[in-house]
Amino acid sequence: ETGVTQTPRHLVMGMTNKKSLKCEQHLGHNAMYWYKQSAKKPLELMFVYSLEERVENNSVPSRFSPECPNSSHLFLHLHTLQPEDSALYLCASSRGGGNEKLFFGSGTQLSVL
Amino acid sequence: QQPVQSPQAVILREGEDAVINCSSSKALYSVHWYRQKHGEAPVFLMILLKGGEQKGHEKISASFNEKKQQSSLYLTASQLSYSGTYFCGTEKAGGGADGLTFGKGTHLIIQP
Repeated sequence: ETGVTQTPRHLVMGMTNKKSLKCEQHLGHNAMYWYKQSAKKPLELMFVYSLEERVENNSVPSRFSPECPNSSHLFLHLHTLQPEDSALYLCASSRGGGNEKLFFGSGTQLSVL
Repeated sequence: QQPVQSPQAVILREGEDAVINCSSSKALYSVHWYRQKHGEAPVFLMILLKGGEQKGHEKISASFNEKKQQSSLYLTASQLSYSGTYFCGTEKAGGGADGLTFGKGTHLIIQP
């Protein structure tokens, strides 16, 4: 148990569906992250939030929409995804600033049909 | 830019040693090492800061050469529990909560 909880663990969706991934951290951290992990490109940084403000967006397609309503919760809203978006989506948190280790959740395994 | 890890995979017998390398073409603020077992989340191992620092925990240690922008992870007298994929993650010079850029990983298999 890392203190970072992700739901759902598994998700199957069609290309026209809209779904959301949820991440919650119980560590009092100030920064939260979304990573995508697939066989072709392991651990790609997607979004970074620090103190609920987005500070990094690594050219992610607009069909992925993050939301950080407070420092403990992070969402990833999904709509009109493509089959190549199938991957493990990992949430992580840290205290923020440099030299801070990341605590990862167990991830959501997403399959887009 | 993604750091480069080598080798891509290592197969060892229990008790043997391994070295995993991580290099970057850009100036680094720090280097992180994580291990991920199949079906689980990556777990933090250690952080190395600039200044040629070395760190160690039991039989796993690492070094960071800031000038060469390289880090190495050393696993000595490997145990079965060391199996997994090892990732190095780098922070850009200047730090900040910008997130880590990870290498593609090194798959380590320890056989009895």
